[in-house]
Amino acid sequence: AQRVTQPEKLLSVFKGAPVELKCNYSYSGSPELFWYVQYSRQRLQLLLRHISRESIKGFTADLNKGETSFHLKKPFAQEEDSAMYYCALRAGGANNLFFGTGTRLTVIP
Amino acid sequence: GAGVSQTPSNKVTEKGKYVELRCDPISGHTALYWYRQSLGQGPEFLIYFQGTGAADDSGLPNDRFFAVRPEGSVSTLKIQRTERGDSAVYLCASRRTGGNTGELFFGEGSRLTVL
Repeated sequence: AQRVTQPEKLLSVFKGAPVELKCNYSYSGSPELFWYVQYSRQRLQLLLRHISRESIKGFTADLNKGETSFHLKKPFAQEEDSAMYYCALRAGGANNLFFGTGTRLTVIP
Repeated sequence: GAGVSQTPSNKVTEKGKYVELRCDPISGHTALYWYRQSLGQGPEFLIYFQGTGAADDSGLPNDRFFAVRPEGSVSTLKIQRTERGDSAVYLCASRRTGGNTGELFFGEGSRLTVL
């Protein structure tokens, strides 16, 4: 069975500091990993996906199959990064996503 | 419409009542999903439609929950004999199939409160 773990419910960092939101997964096959974000009073939306290997809003995430992790990182946090972040996994051949419980990031001015 | 639309945005009902929640996906998106999000939790998968048919309903918690999508566009999630534990935000999402990137487009959700 698939499982996505986000160990931190809350994370606070100062503006300009590096930020890392942790995500670990459990799945025996080859998963696809995603980060979704929900800004205040907005709907849940895709931030980035591992297969694209892209940087979005300064965020990157690398899939580490050895450690079964997909941590989200940004070198210099901005106030507008304050939001709820969800890590999600799609199992091979499946159509639905399994979400973690989310991490609320607060960037302190 | 520009995005996934869900109605009502808020619904308060009494235990034992019947509830319907509606989702209007992005035009042309053949895949439609329902998720449930309880307080402090991530979205929990309920059901997935491909066109008119429910391709995967493994997430429906029990037979009080049912969803339809008769014309392959709008979907309705139906909850019978509501219980207090059904209180949650019900999220709908749609996805364009073909060239699948896995991106789901979410609605703003319907907040259900069962008293």
